[in-house]
Amino acid sequence: GAGVSQSPSNKVTEKGKDVELRCDPISGHTALYWYRQSLGQGLEFLIYFQGNSAPDKSGLPSDRFSAERTGGSVSTLTIQRTQQEDSAVYLCASRRGDEQYFGPGTRLTVT
Amino acid sequence: AQSVTQLDSHVSVSEGTPVLLRCNYSSSYSPSLFWYVQHPNKGLQLLLKYTSAATLVKGINGFEAEFKKSETSFHLTKPSAHMSDAAEYFCVVTPMDSSYKLIFGSGTRLLVRP
Repeated sequence: GAGVSQSPSNKVTEKGKDVELRCDPISGHTALYWYRQSLGQGLEFLIYFQGNSAPDKSGLPSDRFSAERTGGSVSTLTIQRTQQEDSAVYLCASRRGDEQYFGPGTRLTVT
Repeated sequence: AQSVTQLDSHVSVSEGTPVLLRCNYSSSYSPSLFWYVQHPNKGLQLLLKYTSAATLVKGINGFEAEFKKSETSFHLTKPSAHMSDAAEYFCVVTPMDSSYKLIFGSGTRLLVRP
């Protein structure tokens, strides 16, 4: 079956611009996560959605980062006024039971 | 707070020899622990998980890990390395709450020499 998909696979943007990253989870998975993988910080949790509950935003590094999940399915991670330190691979995962399934990631480069 | 420490940033082995990737965890309770693998330019894939059912856990591709509470360790092993095992490996713990958000170690890059 289809796995977690993310788009775009690569994004190059200028400093100060806003970007949107998209995640399509596995159908039927109610839990969705965003993580960031960067050279300096390794792999870190950003935000978590579970059903209709309020999201756990405890990992978002600044108020320039936000995410939403529409209809309990697709999620969008938005970074406003991008900075060079935002350059990283952004990974999305959806969960069944205690196992998370990861998408291929979006590589964001801020120039 | 829960955390994991991967003791080696790089491990190099010859093809056909055993693999040992070391991980220590810090937790005030019996944690859920995972090993994930990331091949170059590919997504993260679950290798195996420990959730208190059995201390010796078998995963995919011949990997296994043993949970040792007395040593707070969860080392990953494989009897015989294959060239295709070259990748980055992450030891991961989840918090006690029901979120299952993953807390990653810093990763170990495995190099397999022919």
